[in-house]
Formats: sequence, structure tokens, C-alpha cells
Amino acid sequence: QVQLVESGGGVVQPGRSLRLSCAASGFTFSRYAMHWVRRAPGKGLEWVAVKSNDGSYKYYADFVKGRFTISRDNSKNTLFLQMNSLRAEDTAVYYCATKGIVAAGTFDYWGQGTLVTVSS
Amino acid sequence: SYVLTQPPSVSVAPGKTARITCGGNNIGSKSVHWYQQRPGQAPVLVIYYDSDRPSGIPERFSGSNSGNTATLTISRVEAGDEADYYCQVWDSSSDHLYVFGAGTKVTVL
Repeated sequence: QVQLVESGGGVVQPGRSLRLSCAASGFTFSRYAMHWVRRAPGKGLEWVAVKSNDGSYKYYADFVKGRFTISRDNSKNTLFLQMNSLRAEDTAVYYCATKGIVAAGTFDYWGQGTLVTVSS
Repeated sequence: SYVLTQPPSVSVAPGKTARITCGGNNIGSKSVHWYQQRPGQAPVLVIYYDSDRPSGIPERFSGSNSGNTATLTISRVEAGDEADYYCQVWDSSSDHLYVFGAGTKVTVL
């Protein structure tokens, strides 16, 4: 079965960096695009970024452009999110999710998430 | 950017029907997907392409989409259906490309 396990979250000061990882198993990772989505405390789901399976495209939500970078290592079945210049408003649980296993345009399977807290 | 509007909360008695709306400008022309997120758990896709159910999702969950409103219907509501529900669309003209509604908290009385 599809399994996604995020890691790398923690407490970080404003302006610092953090790198999240998402280890995938149970499907052919190299065939599918992958997303990052977040949920801030008391708020709803918010899409962050997506990267294609072959690296041909990547897109970001406006609020992270220039600060976050999505990448992947298909040889290690792992998705990454490099987060720089972190702000208090980036505090959230970050989820990775598959794209297109069930249907195009959907977030098919999700990990349990990793908590990022930006605070001084 | 494209905005999806959901009611903040819906309350329903066990065994009854819950209807969760998702409003958007001409949303009927888009494909709408719905997610369930129970407290402390990861989101789960429950409806895709307006009305299709992924494998393992009970038939009690159904969806429709027309005009400016999409609707998720949960029939014969059970205690385990208590969760936050989000609608989602893809919008190429939006700053965020993948747009979620703000979510609806379903409370089972």
C-alpha cells in the first residue's frame, strides 16, 4: 500500500532554514508528481508546491516563491522541501501527497505530516 | 485568484444526511475533489471528479456539481464521519493553482 512518511520538522527561529523530507513506498515513485501541502494551526489546507515525476516542471504558491524549493531523488524515492527565510506565518503541519495515482488533479494519498514551528 | 466558499460548520444527527456546499464562480465548469480530515489524522480523498469515489470509500459519500455550487452529501451519518471536509479545484488562472476551500467542520450530534 502507498506509504508516505515526512520528517525534518521542528522549532526554528524566524529567518532560518529547514529541510523537510518525504519517504515514499508502495508505488512507483518515479512515475508520479508530488505535492507539499500545509495546514496552519486553526486554519485549513493550503497548497505549497508541486514537482513533476521527471523534473520537467515545478510550481509554487505565491507566498513561498523565492523562499522554498521543492526537489526529489527518484533513486531514493524521496521528496524534499527546502525552506529558507522562514516566517512565523509558515508555522504549520506540512504534508506530502501524491498526484495523479487515482485521478489527474487530485491529492490522492497523504503522509501524516511533520510540524514546523517558526518562533524566536 | 479563484475562491471556494464553504460553511464553517454543519451539525447532523446520526443516521441523517449531511450536505456540505462549496461555492465558486462557475464551479460547475471545473472538476471538484473532496477530502476528509479527522482530528490528528492525514487528509483522505473521498470524492474526485465531482462524484466519483475512490476504492474503499463508502457509498454513503456522494457528490454533485452544477452552476456555482458543488455539494458533498453524506448519507446515514455515523459518528466516525465527524471531521473537517475540504473541497478543492485546479485553477490555472489562480496564484495558487490548486485551491482549497476553507473547510467545513461536520459535527455528529
